[in-house]
Amino acid sequence: DQQVKQNSPSLSVQEGRISILNCDYTNSMFDYFLWYKKYPAEGPTFLISISSIKDKNEDGRFTVFLNKSAKHLSLHIVPSQPGDSAVYFCAASEGDDKIIFGKGTRLHILP
Amino acid sequence: NAGVTQTPKFRVLKTGQSMTLLCAQDMNHEYMYWYRQDPGMGLRLIHYSVGEGTTAKGEVPDGYNVSRLKKQNFLLGLESAAPSQTSVYFCASSYRRSLGGFQHETQYFGPGTRLLVL
Repeated sequence: DQQVKQNSPSLSVQEGRISILNCDYTNSMFDYFLWYKKYPAEGPTFLISISSIKDKNEDGRFTVFLNKSAKHLSLHIVPSQPGDSAVYFCAASEGDDKIIFGKGTRLHILP
Repeated sequence: NAGVTQTPKFRVLKTGQSMTLLCAQDMNHEYMYWYRQDPGMGLRLIHYSVGEGTTAKGEVPDGYNVSRLKKQNFLLGLESAAPSQTSVYFCASSYRRSLGGFQHETQYFGPGTRLLVL
């Protein structure tokens, strides 16, 4: 059973607009959440993270929101740029345990 | 500082052949991981290591073996390759740090090894 779910396999957004990538999780004990970005033929790279004691973390154009009651987190990219076209993985961990990854969402930024 | 490197980048095997994938990191990280990525499946953990000389099974360990003889290296072995092992393999390393009283980690990934088993 998937503990971290990214229900949208792909998303297309116009350049300059906001991209919102969503992630749901089932394990209420997860206390750390991460987003990774992956370009074709490259390994995933860390983008942004949030601890369960916060509900928002911002880094430049990237903001992650955490809604613990809904077991939902989202990644907002504003404004979206062509270089943001990639696959985005949501991930979560509980304490010392391993990081669990979602299946990824492919983001296409349209010119 | 090369980060995480993987050797080879691409390999074609015949069913039944064996091979070893090498992962090396120069960040002095304690933790190392092997994942496979398949279309629509995301990243699935094969094996991992929490320190030199230790290994543990992940989500999909069957058909693979690993060794961590040196802290900086993590080897993934396929003893008898099968077409189902055609995939892209990613190695990652990490360290753990305290954040607000919690232990958290961020993984750093290698560029991947593309394996085709015929």
